[in-house]
Amino acid sequence: EVQLVESGGGLVQPGGSLRLSCAASGFTFSDHYMNWVRQAPGKGLEWVGRTRNKANSYTAEYAASVKGRFTISRDDSKNSLYLQMNSLKTEDTAVYYCACGYYYDSSGYYYWGQGTLVTVSS
Amino acid sequence: QSALTQPASVSGSPGQSITISCTGTSSDVGGYNHVSWYQQHPGKAPKLMIYDVSNRPSGVSNRFSGSKSGNTASLTISGLQAEDEADYYCSSYTTSSTLVFGGGTKLTVL
Repeated sequence: EVQLVESGGGLVQPGGSLRLSCAASGFTFSDHYMNWVRQAPGKGLEWVGRTRNKANSYTAEYAASVKGRFTISRDDSKNSLYLQMNSLKTEDTAVYYCACGYYYDSSGYYYWGQGTLVTVSS
Repeated sequence: QSALTQPASVSGSPGQSITISCTGTSSDVGGYNHVSWYQQHPGKAPKLMIYDVSNRPSGVSNRFSGSKSGNTASLTISGLQAEDEADYYCSSYTTSSTLVFGGGTKLTVL
């Protein structure tokens, strides 16, 4: 059974940093492109970014709203995905999901975690 | 990258069919056959209903179907059921190698 379990959310002050983790199991993590998607309270889904696999040099893309502040990384030996969030703003408050496709590079995300809440507030 | 445009809400009676539109540009919806649709119930993670415009993942009811014409994709739900009441989101791959979601549509089953 595929499982994605996010952790690391919490309350952080504006300008602060936070690192989210996503533990994966039940599939060949190292083959898959991995993604972060967020959802602000009462709002819609927003794509945050993606990291590709080793065969594609672990390249990453980001949404314009987080580019330069957020960094996605992965540790294939630990089947884990990370999201380093710096210079956090109140508008970054959201539930953060990690997600991936059924196929390694699918842009349709079949598997989702339960999400972890990040609250940016003073 | 601007969000794809969806109607804020749609409604229908049980047994009826409804269609949700998702309008983008030639840089996203119109340029690729990588449009997906998600269903999200309150407090739950999204569920993939359609991928690559018109493909259904295993386990998704054939009452759900997808299509695309030009820069607009559509999700049709036939034989509407009470459990279909949820928020629906479209997404598309873009020329910037990013992904963009629609603003979401709230489906009410009357």
